[in-house]
Amino acid sequence: NAGVTQTPKFQVLKTGQSMTLQCAQDMNHNSMYWYRQDPGMGLRLIYYSASEGTTDKGEVPNGYNVSRLNKREFSLRLESAAPSQTSVYFCASSPPNSPLHFGNGTRLTVT
Amino acid sequence: QKEVEQDPGPLSVPEGAIVSLNCTYSNSAFQYFMWYRQYSRKGPELLMYTYSSGNKEDGRFTAQVDKSSKYISLFIRDSQPSDSATYLCAIKAAGNKLTFGGGTRVLVKP
Repeated sequence: NAGVTQTPKFQVLKTGQSMTLQCAQDMNHNSMYWYRQDPGMGLRLIYYSASEGTTDKGEVPNGYNVSRLNKREFSLRLESAAPSQTSVYFCASSPPNSPLHFGNGTRLTVT
Repeated sequence: QKEVEQDPGPLSVPEGAIVSLNCTYSNSAFQYFMWYRQYSRKGPELLMYTYSSGNKEDGRFTAQVDKSSKYISLFIRDSQPSDSATYLCAIKAAGNKLTFGGGTRVLVKP
């Protein structure tokens, strides 16, 4: 009963490097989300996908791109990492108008 | 002013005490109310979900919503050391995205 699986769990990047954070859910949910969590800032929505084939910007989309590869998978890409993107990134999924189910996060440090 | 305000704590209580947590919000269109629990180095997990004013009980947990005051609360009875975590309120309007409070860190001391 995996739920929402995120890889990798930890990552250290140098400024300017790129990487993709992977997320997969096995609950057949239509909607998927990417959040970042920073001390004192709470959870902030980066991008979301209401259904396969659609993506929309959230509160803090700058510097990120997303791909909804299929119903199960939703990836987040940093094209040119910056120290301001040091954060914990959470992927979540949900049925329509229902609470979110979260993964356990990717801890990213950009030096 | 943030749409959802939550005291960051930490809130420290002795084992067995009642933990009282709350959030205030500003948007009267909010109508779905959730509480999540987050252990250190883990993702948030749903504790309570309600969409009406009043109380909802689940075991040792009670969620309270007062839409007229734009105020929601979570009470934990007979608190245990395993309840030590960060508690996040989350609120949404129909069709819109969730807005999270910043979380309250709770420490239950044996």
